[in-house]
Amino acid sequence: GEDVEQSLFLSVREGDSSVINCTYTDSSSTYLYWYKQEPGAGLQLLTYIFSNMDMKQDQRLTVLLNKKDKHLSLRIADTQTGDSAIYFCAEKAGGYQKVTFGTGTKLQVIP
Amino acid sequence: DVKVTQSSRYLVKRTGEKVFLECVQDMDHENMFWYRQDPGLGLRLIYFSYDVKMKEKGDIPEGYSVSREKKERFSLILESASTNQTSMYLCASSSALAGSQETQYFGPGTRLLVL
Repeated sequence: GEDVEQSLFLSVREGDSSVINCTYTDSSSTYLYWYKQEPGAGLQLLTYIFSNMDMKQDQRLTVLLNKKDKHLSLRIADTQTGDSAIYFCAEKAGGYQKVTFGTGTKLQVIP
Repeated sequence: DVKVTQSSRYLVKRTGEKVFLECVQDMDHENMFWYRQDPGLGLRLIYFSYDVKMKEKGDIPEGYSVSREKKERFSLILESASTNQTSMYLCASSSALAGSQETQYFGPGTRLLVL
């Protein structure tokens, strides 16, 4: 079945860039997503990328997609303490309602 | 704004009890989902529904059932709660319309403790 993998933990200093990586196995993915979960809350969509794109930029966020290597990354520029959260990568295969989520990467921003 | 609400934020139940978790969305979404979230395991799909009275098993349906009698409401039922069902339960909904990117909108979660 589909599998989405992420490292569990990332620590960065405030003001630095953060890069969160994700690998997936399903070559029929149509959409790939990044969700953010703040403590005690549900997940909130940060951004998504369609599988025929290789980059998407949205203010401080840059998503890079390497379809050949099935690798997705999220770069957060000028990371702030408010960016501390768990970030989930997710992918949706074509023709199915189901979305497969990664294990989540906990981002810790050190002041 | 899409709103997904869950009936309880925290719940404590005893082993063997029947547990109902309710989820309501206000955006007329066709798809609804139940996940459980455990540390180091991420989100795992329990069940989902793409229409009223329709349901599909996810990756870990054992010990759970669901009900979708109305489009806006999706219930998760633990027939006989066990301690290994202690977890955070997240409900989500998404639109099946073209152009929606099928983004999932999540509720705040229900933290269930089974003693």
